[in-house]
Amino acid sequence: GAVVSQHPSRVICKSGTSVKIECRSLDFQATTMFWYRQFPKQSLMLMATSNEGSKATYEQGVEKDKFLINHASLTLSTLTVTSAHPEDSSFYICSAGGRAQNEQFFGPGTRLTVL
Amino acid sequence: AQSVTQPDIHITVSEGASLELRCNYSYGATPYLFWYVQSPGQGLQLLLKYFSGDTLVQGIKGFEAEFKRSQSSFNLRKPSVHWSDAAEYFCAVGSKTGANNLFFGTGTRLTVIP
Repeated sequence: GAVVSQHPSRVICKSGTSVKIECRSLDFQATTMFWYRQFPKQSLMLMATSNEGSKATYEQGVEKDKFLINHASLTLSTLTVTSAHPEDSSFYICSAGGRAQNEQFFGPGTRLTVL
Repeated sequence: AQSVTQPDIHITVSEGASLELRCNYSYGATPYLFWYVQSPGQGLQLLLKYFSGDTLVQGIKGFEAEFKRSQSSFNLRKPSVHWSDAAEYFCAVGSKTGANNLFFGTGTRLTVIP
């Protein structure tokens, strides 16, 4: 159990376009989902925490108008990178919170490349 | 504020040799501690976690970790490394109360040579 999927796994887009990444909890309901960004050979940096039915909480330095997060249901959260630029190229990983404190189940990640 | 330090950026070991990956944390109280493994281009898989109780915790794939409060450490160990263990390893700390955020260390890349 506790499987989290992400779609797409890999996306290449042109500069200025928007990209949507989906994160789904397949066999459980997650009231909280997390979005991380990981640069090559670096650690995961938390971008935002999304709670079903409410606005996401963004970490300091993350532009909420650029990285739109929607957590419309207990099994789906989406991250939309708006007006993407090459510096947005990164590996984006989502996780879904479990019942226990700090329990998170991670998706496989989405590799975004902006040309 | 919470922080996690993994002093070793890259470690190379021979297959069959023992392994220890270091992790030190900074936190106001006893935190929740985690070790995750990430294969190239993949998400994170939980190896083990410490919440309370026995300070030596067993995880999957033959890994174990020991919480040492006096040293603020949570080092990961494996007695005999397999080639498939080559990956990136992340130590993380979480709060026992409040938000469910996890703070990750910078990771240690493990290379296993035949």
